[in-house]
Amino acid sequence: QKEVEQNSGPLSVPEGAIASLNCTYSDRVSQSFFWYRQYSGKSPELIMSIYSNGDKEDGRFTAQLNKASQYVSLLIRDSQPSDSATYLCAADSGGYQKVTFGTGTKLQVIP
Amino acid sequence: KAGVTQTPRYLIKTRGQQVTLSCSPISGHRSVSWYQQTPGQGLQFLFEYFSETQRNKGNFPGRFSGRQFSNSRSEMNVSTLELGDSALYLCASSLSGGDYTFGSGTRLTVV
Repeated sequence: QKEVEQNSGPLSVPEGAIASLNCTYSDRVSQSFFWYRQYSGKSPELIMSIYSNGDKEDGRFTAQLNKASQYVSLLIRDSQPSDSATYLCAADSGGYQKVTFGTGTKLQVIP
Repeated sequence: KAGVTQTPRYLIKTRGQQVTLSCSPISGHRSVSWYQQTPGQGLQFLFEYFSETQRNKGNFPGRFSGRQFSNSRSEMNVSTLELGDSALYLCASSLSGGDYTFGSGTRLTVV
C-alpha cells in the first residue's frame, strides 16, 4: 500500500526561527511531490511542488527531495504566526495513479 | 481567474438518504479529483475524472459514485448514507497530476 507519512506534531517554533517539516513516502515510483498548507476550517492550498532531487526555493519556503531516501522536507525560514497551520505532504506516482496525502503536520509559530 | 466552486457548502442528511455534491473546476482544467477528509483519516482519495472518464478510484464502497460532464463539471453521489460518511468532501481541480487547486469543500453531516 502506498503511504506518505508525516509526524502529526504539533511542531512549535518561535517567531523568526526555521521550521522544518518532514515527510517519507513508500512508493518508489512516485515522481512528483507537493506541500499543501491548510488553515483550520479551510481547504488545502498548494505552496510548493518539487519534481527532482535537490532543493527548490520560493521566498521563505524551501522544498527538499531525496528520492534515494524517499524523503521530502519543507523548510520555512523566518517563521511567522501566520504560518501556523497544518502542512500536508503529497506524492503523485504519475500516469493514472492517485495522489496520496500524508495526514499532515500541525505547525505552531509562537510570537 | 475563478477558483474551484463546490456546492453546497453545508449539508445535513439523515441516515439512509442519498446526497449529490457538485464541483465546477477552474476553466481549462479537465481533471477533477474528489477527496474525503476526516480528523482521524486525513485526506482519502475517492476518485478522479478526466475528460468525462473515471481514471482512478479509491477504496470506498460502491455507495460512492461520481461523474463528469462535458464542461468538466463533476458530481459525486453517496447513496444510503451512514453516520461514518460525515466528513468534509473536497474537490480538486488540475490540468493533470497533483498540483491541485481545491474547492472550499462540502461539509456533510449525517444524523
